[in-house]
Amino acid sequence: SQQGEEDPQALSIQEGENATMNCSYKTSINNLQWYRQNSGRGLVHLILIRSNEREKHSGRLRVTLDTSKKSSSLLITASRAADTASYFCATENTGGFKTIFGAGTRLFVKA
Amino acid sequence: DAGVTQSPTHLIKTRGQQVTLRCSPKSGHDTVSWYQQALGQGPQFIFQYYEEEERQRGNFPDRFSGHQFPNYSSELNVNALLLGDSALYLCASSLVLAGAEQFFGPGTRLTVL
Repeated sequence: SQQGEEDPQALSIQEGENATMNCSYKTSINNLQWYRQNSGRGLVHLILIRSNEREKHSGRLRVTLDTSKKSSSLLITASRAADTASYFCATENTGGFKTIFGAGTRLFVKA
Repeated sequence: DAGVTQSPTHLIKTRGQQVTLRCSPKSGHDTVSWYQQALGQGPQFIFQYYEEEERQRGNFPDRFSGHQFPNYSSELNVNALLLGDSALYLCASSLVLAGAEQFFGPGTRLTVL
C-alpha cells in the first residue's frame, strides 16, 4: 500500500490564487519529495526536503515538513494555468532505498 | 545531455504474453528504479537496480523481473501478462547516494487486452 496520502484529491482555483496541498505519511523518513506530472507522462522533481529541515523554498514553491505530525505541505503562490497538473509527495524511508508515492492531488488552474 | 529515455512509448499486448521494457539512465547515473502507475493512482515502486543487482523490491509478484547492464541501462520484464498489468511504467535514474534526486523518463504505456 502507498504510504503518502495527499489532501485534497482535487483542487480547482483561479489563476493568481495560491494552491496548498497536504501530504501525510506513516513511518520515519530520510526525506520527502514533491513531484509534478502532466497528462500521465513522466514526473518532474520539484523539491526535496530532508527530515532535519522544516521549510524550503524554490521560486513560487514553499514546502514545509512536520516530522512530529508526519505531514508536509506544498504551497504554490500566484498560480498559473500552466501549473495545472497532478502533484505527488514521495517519501524515502529510513533504512530503505525505495521511494513511496501517494495517490496525488489533481490541481486545475482556470485562466 | 539526454535525460532518462524509455522505449517503447506505447505497447499493446494480450493476456498471457510477455513484455520487455527498456530504460537508459541519465548520463552519470548508476541506479535505476522502476515504477508502475495505474490510471489515477500514484506510482508504485517495483524494484531498484544498482551494480547489476536488484537492491530492493516492492510488493510485486515474481512475474516482474529486471536486469541492469554494465552500461547502467535496464530492462523490465513482465511474464504471463494480466489485464491488471495495464499501466504506465516509469523508469527513474539517480546516483546511489541516499536522498539523491531521481530523474524520471516519459514512461511506457502498456495496454493488456
